[in-house]
Amino acid sequence: DTGVSQDPRHKITKRGQNVTFRCDPISEHNRLYWYRQTLGQGPEFLTYFQNEAQLEKSRLLSDRFSAERPKGSFSTLEIQRTEQGDSAMYLCASSQTAGNTEAFFGQGTRLTVV
Amino acid sequence: GENVEQHPSTLSVQEGDSAVIKCTYSDSASNYFPWYKQELGKRPQLIIDIRSNVGEKKDQRIAVTLNKTAKHFSLHITETQPEDSAVYFCATNSNTGNQFYFGTGTSLTVIP
Repeated sequence: DTGVSQDPRHKITKRGQNVTFRCDPISEHNRLYWYRQTLGQGPEFLTYFQNEAQLEKSRLLSDRFSAERPKGSFSTLEIQRTEQGDSAMYLCASSQTAGNTEAFFGQGTRLTVV
Repeated sequence: GENVEQHPSTLSVQEGDSAVIKCTYSDSASNYFPWYKQELGKRPQLIIDIRSNVGEKKDQRIAVTLNKTAKHFSLHITETQPEDSAVYFCATNSNTGNQFYFGTGTSLTVIP
């Protein structure tokens, strides 16, 4: 599969624990996005990378959230001190350079905080 | 930020009928308008997109229309089939082009 891949697909964690998700974008895509999706809602933007530079972050991204894309390839999203409200599907997407081209989504990581 | 509104939230049609989903947006700088289909438990997948330099685009049974003056765009699915049943999201790009704003989704059910 040469599409966007995310790992893990599912994560159950206890409140207060830290979790880290990984996203591998399509190899020639230099733009990478993280979105969060809750049931019955559309994806909500969290953050965006152009190569290794994190160029935009949503106000939704609290201090407990951090994202990296160290070599401009894969990206990680870490949530510290998880809360029940963090339970959601975390989607990664990638696209080519222009902002008006298709974003390809991964299958997502479903996080459940208990 | 951009405000994307999508209607209706649910839509049921008989197989073979047409389905229309409408979205409005607020940022006049938006110039790219994709539509995504998301089946239960699966990733959103692009089904059609339109850029601001055209008013209509068609791909087989799917068409999208864009009215930039009124800031609204619509998805039209003709001759609906049961496999069209899914949640459909409209989206626009931000004025920086660095993110997409999504509507809240329309759950389409095609009744055989």
